[in-house]
Amino acid sequence: KAGVTQTPRYLIKTRGQQVTLSCSPISGHRSVSWYQQTPGQGLQFLFEYFSETQRNKGNFPGRFSGRQFSNSRSEMNVSTLELGDSALYLCASSPLDPSRQETQYFGPGTRLLVL
Amino acid sequence: AQTVTQSQPEMSVQEAETVTLSCTYDTSESDYYLFWYKQPPSRQMILVIRQEAYKQQNATENRFSVNFQKAAKSFSLKISDSQLGDAAMYFCAYRSAETGGGADGLTFGKGTHLIIQP
Repeated sequence: KAGVTQTPRYLIKTRGQQVTLSCSPISGHRSVSWYQQTPGQGLQFLFEYFSETQRNKGNFPGRFSGRQFSNSRSEMNVSTLELGDSALYLCASSPLDPSRQETQYFGPGTRLLVL
Repeated sequence: AQTVTQSQPEMSVQEAETVTLSCTYDTSESDYYLFWYKQPPSRQMILVIRQEAYKQQNATENRFSVNFQKAAKSFSLKISDSQLGDAAMYFCAYRSAETGGGADGLTFGKGTHLIIQP
């Protein structure tokens, strides 16, 4: 079974621009979560989607948004980019199996550099 | 809110030896899950092992095992017969067992950088 895929893998933007990152979960997984990883703040939870609905949201400004499509693919968008948004953005998916639905499997990440 | 603390920023071990990475957490919940993830230089986060808080038995996965002490809120990872491929950042993580996984998704520690000496 293919793992979680994220596109693009690398991205360079300038301050004030917006960016959209994409994530395709493992086949059959319906829950997708996003995390931001920076050297200073570590790994921080952004949001989680399940069946096209945002289920949980971390403590990030409204510039960070996301959505999930009917095929479980998810996108996250960051508007009005700031230098501090430079980070590795990780996507993770979780299985439907109730005995494993809390377990998250991660993609390779998208490295965003804001200049 | 839950917190996860990894007090060892870096650990070093000789190849084939055993190493233990420490993790403590703080929560008021009684039902939750704990995980260890490995992040090699490729930055891909890989699940190493998973523990359900309501299970007293410590989880094991081949050379990896945990020592889960619920009362002490401690969750250490033991790697036996260390191999060069084990070199990576190791993150301890907590997730609530509440419906929907709680409000915070996975809560991670700051990580421990494991170095394997050949």
